[in-house]
This record gives sequence, structure tokens and C-alpha cells, in this order.
Amino acid sequence: EVQLVESGGGLVQPGGSLRLSCAASGFTFSSYWMSWVRQAPGKGLEWVANIKQDGSEKYYVDSVKGRFTISRDNAKNSLYLQMNSLRAEDTAVYYCARSLRYSSWWYFDYWGQGTLVTVSS
Amino acid sequence: QSVLTQPPSVSGAPGQRVTISCTGSSSNIGAGYDVHWYQQLPGTAPKLLIYGNSNRPSGVPDRFSGSKSGTSASLAITGLQAEDEADYYCQSYDSSLSGLGVFGGGTKLTVL
Repeated sequence: EVQLVESGGGLVQPGGSLRLSCAASGFTFSSYWMSWVRQAPGKGLEWVANIKQDGSEKYYVDSVKGRFTISRDNAKNSLYLQMNSLRAEDTAVYYCARSLRYSSWWYFDYWGQGTLVTVSS
Repeated sequence: QSVLTQPPSVSGAPGQRVTISCTGSSSNIGAGYDVHWYQQLPGTAPKLLIYGNSNRPSGVPDRFSGSKSGTSASLAITGLQAEDEADYYCQSYDSSLSGLGVFGGGTKLTVL
């Protein structure tokens, strides 16, 4: 059974940093692209970043470029999101998602339960 | 403001058929990029419902179907059930934005 378990969320002040983790199991982690998708309270979904199987390609939504870094450790079956210079508008539940390429982009076939990041003073 | 436009809400009685639209433009759906659909039950993570415009993953009932035409896509749900009450999101790719992977704003389905 595919399982994705996020951790690392919490309350952080504006300008602060946080590192999210996602522990994967039930599939060959190193064979899949992986993504982070977020959802602000009461709002819709927003794709944040994704990373290739070997970490050699990464893509980010413009609003987080230069502030967030996606990475992975295939030996530990883990995905990470390092978030720096956090802003109030980064407040959201962050989901880790397994990603499959379909034509020009990816879709997300399995999702974790999410971890809440709150940016507030 | 989402690049893909969905109605904020739709409703239907049990057993009825409802459709949820996802309207894009020439830089996303109209350019031929594929559409995927997700269901988010209250308080839970999203779940893949339809991929590649009309394909159902294993385990998704055939009551759910997707289609795409021109600059729009649609999700149809037949034989509506109480447990279908959820938020539904479409997703595609946009070639003109830095957002790249884009979602619709979501549609709240209420089963009357």
C-alpha cells in the first residue's frame, strides 16, 4: 500500500524557516517524480514544486522561487521542502504527492495527509 | 483568481446526474493539454478521480467520467450518492504562466 506521511509543519514567524519532510513507503520511491502541493485555509489547491527521480530536475511555482528548495533522499525514501523567508501567504496545508507524467505535465496519483504550516507573528 | 474556472458550487439529488465544468483558454486546455480531476472529501487529502481527460484509476466507480472539448473539460457524476458530497478540482498545464501546473478554483458538490 502506498503511504506518504508528511511532518515538520508548525507555527513560524514571518521571515523564518521550516523544513518539511515526507516519508514514502509501499512503492519504489526512486522511480517516481514527487511534488509538493499546498492548500491555504478554506482555499483551493496550488502546485508548489516537483523533483525528478534522481533530483536532477526541479520546478517551482514563481511565488516560491528563490525561497523554497525541494530535495529528496532516495536511500531514506524521503522528500523534503526547505522553506525560507516565509510569508503570511505561505500559510497552508502542504501535501506531498507522487507524480506521474502525462503528456506535458504531471498529475498526482497518491497524496499524503498533509502538514499545516502557519506563518504568523 | 484561478487560470482554470470552475463553478463554486453545484448540487443534485441522490440518483441524479451532475456535471462540473472546467473552463480554460488557448494557453492551457485549448492548447491540447490534458485535464485531471481530484475529489477532496471534507477534512481529507485530495484523491485522484480522473487522469488524462477521461481515464479512471483503478477503484474509481464508473459513475465518474471526464471529457474535454475545445477550451473546456467536464466531470460528470451519475447516480449521485450522499458520499459524493465533496470538493472537486480540475488540473492542467499552462504554457503562459510561471505556475505551470495549474488547478481550478474548486467546486463544492452538495447532495440534496
